[in-house]
Amino acid sequence: NAGVTQTPKFQVLKTGQSMTLQCAQDMNHNSMYWYRQDPGMGLRLIYYSASEGTTDKGEVPNGYNVSRLNKREFSLRLESAAPSQTSVYFCASRQTSGDEQFFGPGTRLTVL
Amino acid sequence: QKEVEQNSGPLSVPEGAIASLNCTYSDRGSQSFFWYRQYSGKSPELIMFIYSNGDKEDGRFTAQLNKASQYVSLLIRDSQPSDSATYLCAVVFPSNAGGTSYGKLTFGQGTILTVHP
Repeated sequence: NAGVTQTPKFQVLKTGQSMTLQCAQDMNHNSMYWYRQDPGMGLRLIYYSASEGTTDKGEVPNGYNVSRLNKREFSLRLESAAPSQTSVYFCASRQTSGDEQFFGPGTRLTVL
Repeated sequence: QKEVEQNSGPLSVPEGAIASLNCTYSDRGSQSFFWYRQYSGKSPELIMFIYSNGDKEDGRFTAQLNKASQYVSLLIRDSQPSDSATYLCAVVFPSNAGGTSYGKLTFGQGTILTVHP
């Protein structure tokens, strides 16, 4: 069991470039989440998917889009990266009947 | 505004001491409370969750919840250098529309704990 995997681990973008962060889980979880973590600010929810086929905004969705490709995969897209999107991005998943969220290893993104 | 506040830290305790980490939250209707540990450069991992008022113990860790005061804490007994990490308090707030919250977590800013030998 790999748990929650994320690719890439590190990425450097120039302002205006686009990219997609990939997340996959092999625990058959229904719910998946994308967070960003900035220094001194804890984790903030960007988007979530309660189940396959549904997505909804979290606390800080501006500048991002998501796709729940299937039950396993939940991707986060930056269409036109900005320096304010420099952050560490974590994907997490949760079984509907449980409370624990399992986190992936994170993607460290720098936008120049 | 739904907020979770943690004592600012950083917190430094000697090995073997009790470390006390505190958290307050803004919505009295909240029902689920979590403590995550995050080592530097790593992802958060769940160490405790609590739903009911009172204490919940798991090994050296004790979570305490007081819903009337909107306060949750984590005590680490016999602290070890390996406990040095950032501790994140997280709360599931009730949905504004009255439906399910889908397990969405709101995190505090974290408290850095250092346990020195």
